[in-house]
Amino acid sequence: ETGVTQSPTHLIKTRGQQVTLRCSSQSGHNTVSWYQQALGQGPQFIFQYYREEENGRGNFPPRFSGLQFPNYSSELNVNALELDDSALYLCASRLGTGMSYEQYFGPGTRLTVT
Amino acid sequence: GENVEQHPSTLSVQEGDSAVIKCTYSDSASNYFPWYKQELGKRPQLIIDIRSNVGEKKDQRIAVTLNKTAKHFSLHITETQPEDSAVYFCAASRSNDYKLSFGAGTTVTVRA
Repeated sequence: ETGVTQSPTHLIKTRGQQVTLRCSSQSGHNTVSWYQQALGQGPQFIFQYYREEENGRGNFPPRFSGLQFPNYSSELNVNALELDDSALYLCASRLGTGMSYEQYFGPGTRLTVT
Repeated sequence: GENVEQHPSTLSVQEGDSAVIKCTYSDSASNYFPWYKQELGKRPQLIIDIRSNVGEKKDQRIAVTLNKTAKHFSLHITETQPEDSAVYFCAASRSNDYKLSFGAGTTVTVRA
C-alpha cells in the first residue's frame, strides 16, 4: 500500500448538489494531484497543489476547486454536480523535489451523481 | 497539451507468453514515462517508470523501452502469470509540471 488514503469510499449525490472529497498524502509528500477516472478510461488530471498553492490545472471548469492544508492533506470540491461528474476520483501524492517524479495514488472515491 | 495513445485496448495471452503494450506521445518536452497497473476496484499502482535519459529499464519480468526520436515507449511483460491480469496504463509528463497524461488503458487477460 502507498500510504495515501481517501474518504469517503463511495458517495451518491443528486444533480446540482455539492460534494467534498478528502485525501491524506503519504508521509513527507508535499505535492498532491487530483484525477478523474471515468469508467473504462484513463485518469484525467484535474489540478495539482504544492505547499498549499494550486500550481497546475487541467481542462476542468471552475466548479472543480481544491484546498491543501499545512499537514499536506487536501480536498476536492465540486459544485453544481452534473451527471457526467460520476467517476472515480483519485488523488496522488509526490515528494515535491526535483529529484522525485513518482506519484502514488490513493484508493479513490467513487462518486455517483443521479 | 500532451496526447498519449495506447495500443492495444485489450490483450489476451497464454500463461507463460509475453505481453507487449505500446504508447505514443505528442509533446517532445515530456521526459518521464510511468506505467501503472490497476486491478478491478483498486488504485493504480506504479509498476515501472523510465526517464528520457535512458532507453530501457528492466525490473524482473517487466521492462520498458523508450524511443524519444519516434516518441513512443513500450511495456514488456515476460513469462506472464494469471496475477498479471489487470488494466495497464501508460502516462507521460514533463519534469517542470509533473502533470500525468494517461493513455486509455490496456486490459490484459492471462489465460491459464
